[in-house]
Amino acid sequence: DQQVKQNSPSLSVQEGRISILNCDYTNSMFDYFLWYKKYPAEGPTFLISISSIKDKNEDGRFTVFLNKSAKHLSLHIVPSQPGDSAVYFCAASAYTGNQFYFGTGTSLTVIP
Amino acid sequence: NAGVTQTPKFRVLKTGQSMTLLCAQDMNHEYMYWYRQDPGMGLRLIHYSVGEGTTAKGEVPDGYNVSRLKKQNFLLGLESAAPSQTSVYFCASSLSEYGYTFGSGTRLTVV
Repeated sequence: DQQVKQNSPSLSVQEGRISILNCDYTNSMFDYFLWYKKYPAEGPTFLISISSIKDKNEDGRFTVFLNKSAKHLSLHIVPSQPGDSAVYFCAASAYTGNQFYFGTGTSLTVIP
Repeated sequence: NAGVTQTPKFRVLKTGQSMTLLCAQDMNHEYMYWYRQDPGMGLRLIHYSVGEGTTAKGEVPDGYNVSRLKKQNFLLGLESAAPSQTSVYFCASSLSEYGYTFGSGTRLTVV
């Protein structure tokens, strides 16, 4: 059973607009979350993280929001650029474990 | 500045054949992981290691074995390949439990 879900397999956004990628999780023990970006034929690369003590973390154009009560996190990209076109994975872990659980990914296309 | 290197990048196996995937990292990371990526399933952890000489099972360990004889290398073995093991395999390493560095993947097809 998928503990981390990304219900949108794909998303298209115009260049300059905001991209919002969503992720839901079921395990209330999860308290550390990551977003990874993956280009074709490459491995995923770390993008941004957030721990459960925060509800927001920003890094340049990327902001991750965490809503613990809803077990939901989102990644906002503002403004979106064509180079952001990739597959985005969210991942979650509990501090007590060594394992990250990944979502199925959302393929983002930024249209010039 | 190699990071995490996976060999081979592509492989086709016949059902029942065996093979070993090699992962090498030059960052002196303690933690190493093997994941598989399948359509609609995301990345799933097969096995991991928290240090030289240690291994542990992940989410989907059946049909695979691993060894971490040297800190920089993490080997993933398939003793008798099955079509269900057709996948893209990613190795990752990290200094702690967080912030993985991934390799570029191995695409394995079992026919």
